[in-house]
Amino acid sequence: AQRVTQPEKLLSVFKGAPVELKCNYSYSGSPELFWYVQYSRQRLQLLLRHISRESIKGFTADLNKGETSFHLKKPFAQEEDSAMYYCALSVWDSGYALNFGKGTSLLVTP
Amino acid sequence: KAGVTQTPRYLIKTRGQQVTLSCSPISGHRSVSWYQQTPGQGLQFLFEYFSETQRNKGNFPGRFSGRQFSNSRSEMNVSTLELGDSALYLCASSLDRRQNTEAFFGQGTRLTVV
Repeated sequence: AQRVTQPEKLLSVFKGAPVELKCNYSYSGSPELFWYVQYSRQRLQLLLRHISRESIKGFTADLNKGETSFHLKKPFAQEEDSAMYYCALSVWDSGYALNFGKGTSLLVTP
Repeated sequence: KAGVTQTPRYLIKTRGQQVTLSCSPISGHRSVSWYQQTPGQGLQFLFEYFSETQRNKGNFPGRFSGRQFSNSRSEMNVSTLELGDSALYLCASSLDRRQNTEAFFGQGTRLTVV
Protein backbone atom coordinates (compact mmCIF):
# COMPACT_ATOMS: atom_id res chain seq x y z
CA ALA A 1 0.00 0.00 0.00
CA GLN A 2 1.12 3.54 -0.65
CA ARG A 3 1.74 5.69 2.36
CA VAL A 4 3.33 9.05 3.10
CA THR A 5 4.47 9.87 6.61
CA GLN A 6 5.34 13.27 7.95
CA PRO A 7 6.38 12.64 11.55
CA GLU A 8 6.22 16.24 12.77
CA LYS A 9 2.88 18.03 13.08
CA LEU A 10 4.55 21.26 14.10
CA LEU A 11 8.07 22.56 13.59
CA SER A 12 9.15 25.85 15.12
CA VAL A 13 12.48 27.47 14.22
CA PHE A 14 14.08 30.89 14.52
CA LYS A 15 14.63 33.10 11.52
CA GLY A 16 17.96 32.30 9.91
CA ALA A 17 18.10 28.77 11.29
CA PRO A 18 18.21 25.71 9.02
CA VAL A 19 14.97 23.86 8.39
CA GLU A 20 14.34 20.23 7.58
CA LEU A 21 10.81 18.88 7.14
CA LYS A 22 10.78 15.12 7.08
CA CYS A 23 8.88 12.91 4.67
CA ASN A 24 9.01 9.15 4.35
CA TYR A 25 7.07 7.07 1.87
CA SER A 26 6.20 3.48 1.12
CA TYR A 27 5.50 2.50 -2.46
CA SER A 28 6.42 -0.59 -4.41
CA GLY A 29 6.71 1.21 -7.74
CA SER A 30 8.87 4.05 -8.98
CA PRO A 31 7.85 7.04 -6.83
CA GLU A 32 6.99 10.50 -8.05
CA LEU A 33 7.14 12.85 -5.08
CA PHE A 34 6.07 16.43 -4.49
CA TRP A 35 6.06 19.06 -1.79
CA TYR A 36 2.96 21.25 -1.65
CA VAL A 37 2.64 24.35 0.52
CA GLN A 38 -0.37 26.18 1.86
CA TYR A 39 0.20 29.72 3.13
CA SER A 40 -2.40 31.30 5.37
CA ARG A 41 -5.64 31.94 3.47
CA GLN A 42 -4.14 30.79 0.18
CA ARG A 43 -4.74 27.74 -1.92
CA LEU A 44 -2.58 24.67 -1.87
CA GLN A 45 0.25 25.09 -4.36
CA LEU A 46 3.15 23.09 -5.64
CA LEU A 47 6.50 23.95 -4.09
CA LEU A 48 8.74 21.45 -5.84
CA ARG A 49 8.89 17.95 -7.29
CA HIS A 50 11.69 15.47 -7.27
CA ILE A 51 11.91 14.95 -11.04
CA SER A 52 12.85 18.58 -11.68
CA ARG A 53 15.56 18.69 -8.98
CA GLU A 54 15.14 22.44 -8.67
CA SER A 55 15.38 24.89 -5.80
CA ILE A 56 12.30 26.98 -5.14
CA LYS A 57 12.35 29.85 -2.61
CA GLY A 58 15.61 28.36 -1.30
CA PHE A 59 14.04 24.97 -0.60
CA THR A 60 15.48 21.72 -1.95
CA ALA A 61 14.45 18.10 -1.58
CA ASP A 62 16.34 15.00 -2.58
CA LEU A 63 14.75 11.65 -3.16
CA ASN A 64 16.58 8.92 -1.24
CA LYS A 65 15.25 5.62 -2.49
CA GLY A 66 17.36 3.63 -0.04
CA GLU A 67 15.84 5.38 2.95
CA THR A 68 12.50 5.99 1.14
CA SER A 69 12.68 9.63 2.12
CA PHE A 70 12.07 12.99 0.48
CA HIS A 71 12.99 15.53 3.14
CA LEU A 72 12.54 19.25 2.46
CA LYS A 73 15.44 21.49 3.44
CA LYS A 74 16.31 25.16 3.56
CA PRO A 75 19.57 26.49 4.98
CA PHE A 76 18.20 29.77 6.36
CA ALA A 77 14.52 30.02 7.28
CA GLN A 78 12.58 33.25 6.68
CA GLU A 79 9.41 34.41 8.44
CA GLU A 80 7.50 34.20 5.16
CA ASP A 81 8.22 30.47 5.07
CA SER A 82 5.67 29.96 7.85
CA ALA A 83 3.01 27.73 6.31
CA MET A 84 1.61 24.22 6.15
CA TYR A 85 3.76 21.83 4.13
CA TYR A 86 2.48 18.59 2.61
CA CYS A 87 4.54 15.81 1.11
CA ALA A 88 2.69 13.92 -1.62
CA LEU A 89 3.22 10.74 -3.60
CA SER A 90 1.79 10.56 -7.10
CA VAL A 91 0.22 7.22 -7.81
CA TRP A 92 -0.87 5.96 -11.18
CA ASP A 93 -3.40 3.13 -11.02
CA SER A 94 -5.57 3.39 -14.15
CA GLY A 95 -5.99 6.99 -13.07
CA TYR A 96 -4.07 9.68 -11.32
CA ALA A 97 -4.12 10.37 -7.57
CA LEU A 98 -2.03 12.19 -4.99
CA ASN A 99 -1.45 10.48 -1.69
CA PHE A 100 -0.72 13.17 0.91
CA GLY A 101 1.00 13.08 4.26
CA LYS A 102 -0.78 14.71 7.21
CA GLY A 103 1.30 17.84 6.83
CA THR A 104 3.80 19.78 8.94
CA SER A 105 3.07 23.27 10.16
CA LEU A 106 6.25 25.34 9.99
CA LEU A 107 6.49 28.40 12.20
CA VAL A 108 9.45 30.72 11.75
CA THR A 109 9.82 33.20 14.57
CA PRO A 110 11.96 36.35 14.58
CA LYS B 1 -4.66 32.07 -17.28
CA ALA B 2 -7.48 31.59 -14.82
CA GLY B 3 -6.92 29.14 -12.01
CA VAL B 4 -9.15 26.35 -10.78
CA THR B 5 -12.49 27.76 -9.66
CA GLN B 6 -14.74 26.10 -7.11
CA THR B 7 -18.28 27.11 -6.25
CA PRO B 8 -19.75 27.76 -3.83
CA ARG B 9 -17.04 28.72 -1.35
CA TYR B 10 -19.18 27.95 1.69
CA LEU B 11 -22.17 25.71 2.32
CA ILE B 12 -24.21 24.83 5.36
CA LYS B 13 -26.44 21.78 5.07
CA THR B 14 -28.54 19.66 7.40
CA ARG B 15 -27.97 15.97 8.07
CA GLY B 16 -29.74 13.82 5.52
CA GLN B 17 -29.68 16.42 2.78
CA GLN B 18 -27.61 16.17 -0.36
CA VAL B 19 -25.14 18.66 -1.81
CA THR B 20 -23.50 19.34 -5.17
CA LEU B 21 -20.15 21.09 -5.48
CA SER B 22 -18.75 22.47 -8.73
CA CYS B 23 -15.23 22.76 -10.14
CA SER B 24 -14.01 24.53 -13.28
CA PRO B 25 -10.49 23.38 -14.18
CA ILE B 26 -7.73 25.36 -15.83
CA SER B 27 -8.35 25.66 -19.56
CA GLY B 28 -6.80 22.70 -21.38
CA HIS B 29 -6.64 20.49 -18.31
CA ARG B 30 -8.59 17.29 -18.80
CA SER B 31 -7.94 15.56 -15.47
CA VAL B 32 -9.94 16.69 -12.47
CA SER B 33 -9.48 15.22 -9.00
CA TRP B 34 -11.36 15.77 -5.77
CA TYR B 35 -9.98 15.67 -2.24
CA GLN B 36 -11.48 15.92 1.22
CA GLN B 37 -9.50 17.85 3.83
CA THR B 38 -10.26 17.47 7.53
CA PRO B 39 -8.19 18.27 10.65
CA GLY B 40 -8.14 14.62 11.69
CA GLN B 41 -7.55 12.80 8.41
CA GLY B 42 -5.76 15.47 6.41
CA LEU B 43 -6.08 15.40 2.63
CA GLN B 44 -7.76 12.29 1.26
CA PHE B 45 -8.32 11.43 -2.38
CA LEU B 46 -11.94 11.03 -3.43
CA PHE B 47 -11.87 10.40 -7.18
CA GLU B 48 -10.40 11.46 -10.50
CA TYR B 49 -12.15 12.13 -13.78
CA PHE B 50 -10.74 12.31 -17.28
CA SER B 51 -12.73 12.77 -20.48
CA GLU B 52 -16.01 12.38 -18.61
CA THR B 53 -14.94 9.01 -17.14
CA GLN B 54 -14.07 8.19 -13.56
CA ARG B 55 -10.60 6.66 -13.75
CA ASN B 56 -9.70 6.31 -10.11
CA LYS B 57 -11.58 6.23 -6.84
CA GLY B 58 -10.52 6.57 -3.23
CA ASN B 59 -11.85 4.74 -0.23
CA PHE B 60 -15.10 6.63 0.34
CA PRO B 61 -18.66 5.32 0.58
CA GLY B 62 -21.01 5.33 -2.40
CA ARG B 63 -22.72 8.44 -1.05
CA PHE B 64 -19.88 10.33 -2.65
CA SER B 65 -20.13 10.54 -6.40
CA GLY B 66 -19.07 12.81 -9.18
CA ARG B 67 -19.17 13.48 -12.86
CA GLN B 68 -17.32 15.40 -15.53
CA PHE B 69 -18.78 17.22 -18.46
CA SER B 70 -17.48 17.53 -22.00
CA ASN B 71 -15.90 20.91 -21.20
CA SER B 72 -13.96 19.20 -18.34
CA ARG B 73 -15.96 20.95 -15.64
CA SER B 74 -16.72 18.60 -12.80
CA GLU B 75 -19.26 18.23 -10.04
CA MET B 76 -19.24 16.10 -6.95
CA ASN B 77 -22.33 15.07 -5.06
CA VAL B 78 -22.73 13.87 -1.51
CA SER B 79 -26.05 12.31 -0.62
CA THR B 80 -27.55 11.65 2.81
CA LEU B 81 -25.13 14.00 4.50
CA GLU B 82 -23.60 13.04 7.83
CA LEU B 83 -21.97 15.29 10.43
CA GLY B 84 -18.63 13.70 9.57
CA ASP B 85 -18.86 14.97 6.01
CA SER B 86 -18.08 18.46 7.27
CA ALA B 87 -14.80 19.30 5.57
CA LEU B 88 -13.01 21.42 3.02
CA TYR B 89 -13.46 19.85 -0.41
CA LEU B 90 -10.68 20.61 -2.84
CA CYS B 91 -10.66 20.19 -6.57
CA ALA B 92 -7.45 19.90 -8.56
CA SER B 93 -6.85 19.90 -12.28
CA SER B 94 -3.83 18.71 -14.25
CA LEU B 95 -2.60 17.88 -17.71
CA ASP B 96 -2.77 14.21 -18.37
CA ARG B 97 0.92 13.59 -18.88
CA ARG B 98 2.34 11.08 -16.45
CA GLN B 99 5.70 12.80 -16.21
CA ASN B 100 4.19 16.19 -15.52
CA THR B 101 1.39 15.48 -13.11
CA GLU B 102 1.45 18.80 -11.30
CA ALA B 103 -1.94 19.37 -9.74
CA PHE B 104 -3.35 22.89 -9.50
CA PHE B 105 -5.79 23.32 -6.66
CA GLY B 106 -8.86 25.43 -6.22
CA GLN B 107 -9.59 27.37 -3.05
CA GLY B 108 -12.06 24.76 -1.94
CA THR B 109 -15.64 24.56 -0.79
CA ARG B 110 -16.13 24.58 2.98
CA LEU B 111 -19.06 22.28 3.77
CA THR B 112 -20.61 22.34 7.22
CA VAL B 113 -23.21 19.73 8.09
CA VAL B 114 -25.41 20.55 11.08
